[in-house]
Amino acid sequence: GESVGLHLPTLSVQEGDNSIINCAYSNSASDYFIWYKQESGKGPQFIIDIRSNMDKRQGQRVTVLLNKTVKHLSLQIAATQPGDSAVYFCAESRYQAGTALIFGKGTTLSVSS
Amino acid sequence: GAVVSQHPSRVICKSGTSVKIECRSLDFQATTMFWYRQFPKQSLMLMATSNEGSKATYEQGVEKDKFLINHASLTLSTLTVTSAHPEDSSFYICSARSGDQPQHFGDGTRLSIL
Repeated sequence: GESVGLHLPTLSVQEGDNSIINCAYSNSASDYFIWYKQESGKGPQFIIDIRSNMDKRQGQRVTVLLNKTVKHLSLQIAATQPGDSAVYFCAESRYQAGTALIFGKGTTLSVSS
Repeated sequence: GAVVSQHPSRVICKSGTSVKIECRSLDFQATTMFWYRQFPKQSLMLMATSNEGSKATYEQGVEKDKFLINHASLTLSTLTVTSAHPEDSSFYICSARSGDQPQHFGDGTRLSIL
């Protein structure tokens, strides 16, 4: 079935470093991708999204890159802060079809001071 | 920004009890709501998609008679776990969407069945 996977389950960085979290998706029909941040005991928090007609989108301290050729998605966090420590999920959907988001396994980001 | 409220945040009850979880969109009308389940250290798994005024669409392997979903208005969906057992213990998360906006998530309900 449809699935979204992640290359690395954990990522440890120093405060101030840039972080890159990767994601591979399997459904070539997916046309909408979102990165979520989930802190312990809370629901996912929207970070940034991107549609398949784009290959890069920037937000505040975050950048999402989409490579449709290899079905790869990445989240770059600039100047990572301790408050960025959380589990990060990528999710995909077929936006035009109105399908629900399907989540990947998640990467735990740990930021040390 | 869009706010989704989920209630209760935590439930502890005995085996055999039925538990109702509410999901409300506070500042927008949600044409579609989704219910997810998340086990410890795992990802969110979609359980069902709910459109206002119509029957929910359940994912494969999710028992519709076990997990009753009602989406009676554009701001409220409920999930009832009927005759809950310890294996139903999990973190249940709802999300809501309106138009072409991203799905926004509630803060989840931690269900513990003794």
